[in-house]
This record gives sequence, C-alpha cells and structure tokens, in this order.
Amino acid sequence: DVQLLESGGGLVQPGGSLRLSCAASGFTFSSFVMSWVRQSPGKGLEWVAGVSGSGGTIYYADSVRGRFTISRDNSKNILFLEMNSLRLEDTAVYYCAKGSSVLHWFGAWGQGTLVTVST
Amino acid sequence: EIVLTQSPGTLSLSPGERATLSCRASQSLRSGYLAWYQQKTGQSPRLLIYGASIRATGIPDRFSGSGSGTDFTLTISSLEPEDFAVYYCQQYASSRFSFGPGTKVDVK
Repeated sequence: DVQLLESGGGLVQPGGSLRLSCAASGFTFSSFVMSWVRQSPGKGLEWVAGVSGSGGTIYYADSVRGRFTISRDNSKNILFLEMNSLRLEDTAVYYCAKGSSVLHWFGAWGQGTLVTVST
Repeated sequence: EIVLTQSPGTLSLSPGERATLSCRASQSLRSGYLAWYQQKTGQSPRLLIYGASIRATGIPDRFSGSGSGTDFTLTISSLEPEDFAVYYCQQYASSRFSFGPGTKVDVK
C-alpha cells in the first residue's frame, strides 16, 4: 500500500523557517511526480509546489515562489519542503501528494502536518 | 493562471437523490486535464476522477465525471450517506496547478 507520512510541522514566528518532510513507501518513489498542497483552517485546498520524478522539473505557486523550496531525495524516498520568510497566511495543514508518472493529479495523500505561523 | 469556479457553493440533498456539481475553468483545459476529489471533515482528500471522466481505483460507479474544454461536471447518481462531503475540482493542464473553491454536499 502507498503510504505518505509528513513531519516537521509546528509553531513558528513570522519571518521564521521550517522544513517539512514526507516519507514515502509502497511504490517506486522516483517514478512519480510529487506535490505539496496546503489547506488553511476552514478553507479550501491550495497547491503549493510540485516536482518531477527525477527532481529536474519544479513548479511553484506564485504565493510561495522565492520563499519555499521543494526537493526530493530519491535514494531515501523523501520529499521535502523548505519554507523561509514565513507569513501569517502560510498557516495551514500541509499535505504531501503523489501524482502519476508525469501528470499532477493526486492519487494518494498523506495525513498532513500543521504549520502555524504566529507571534 | 487558470482559475476554477465551482457551483453551487452548497448543495442540500437527501440520500438517494442525484447530485450534479459543476466546475468551470477560465481557460480551456487541454486533454481534459481535470480531477475531482472528495474531502470529509478531518480527513485528507480522496481522488475520485482524473482525466475528466476516468474513475480512480476503488471508486464506486455512482460517481461519474464528464465535460471538456472549460466546463466539467461531477455526477453522483444516487447519494449514499457517506457521500456527504466537500468536493473539489483541480486542473493540471498548466504548470500552475489549481483547485476550485469546493462544493459542499450536505443533508437536506
């Protein structure tokens, strides 16, 4: 079975940094695109960043470009999201999501990790 | 950036009724690159449909997707008690993937 397990969330002050991880198992990690999707409390889903299987192609939402960095370690089956210059509006549950081999529709999701940006 | 609009915002129906949810894109989605997800309170989203009309593995056949270009529809032929949830559409036609705001299906 596909499993995605996020970690690294927590409370951080505005302007701070945080690194999220997503440990993947049950599939050939390097063969699938991956993304981070977030959901602010009581709100809808917002795609944040995506990466190809090789890691060579990366996409970002305009709201996080220049502040967040997505990466992957295919030798350890881990997806990362480095978040810098955090803002109050970055407060959300962050989900790791598995795409297809090339397309970013998401057939598997983690349970999410909560990031709270607050003073 | 492709913007998705979903209607209605809330759909109040009874079990056994048919639900029709709409998703409209601000630009034509090539190859029908649209997916639908279901999310229940406190849970992660679940993929229902991709490629506008292809049911994901394990999804009951009461769920169906249709449409092309800018107009897409998710139909639930006969609502079961477990189908009351929020439904999101998502486009993956551009490199800035985006979700619609969601349609809540609740019990009338």
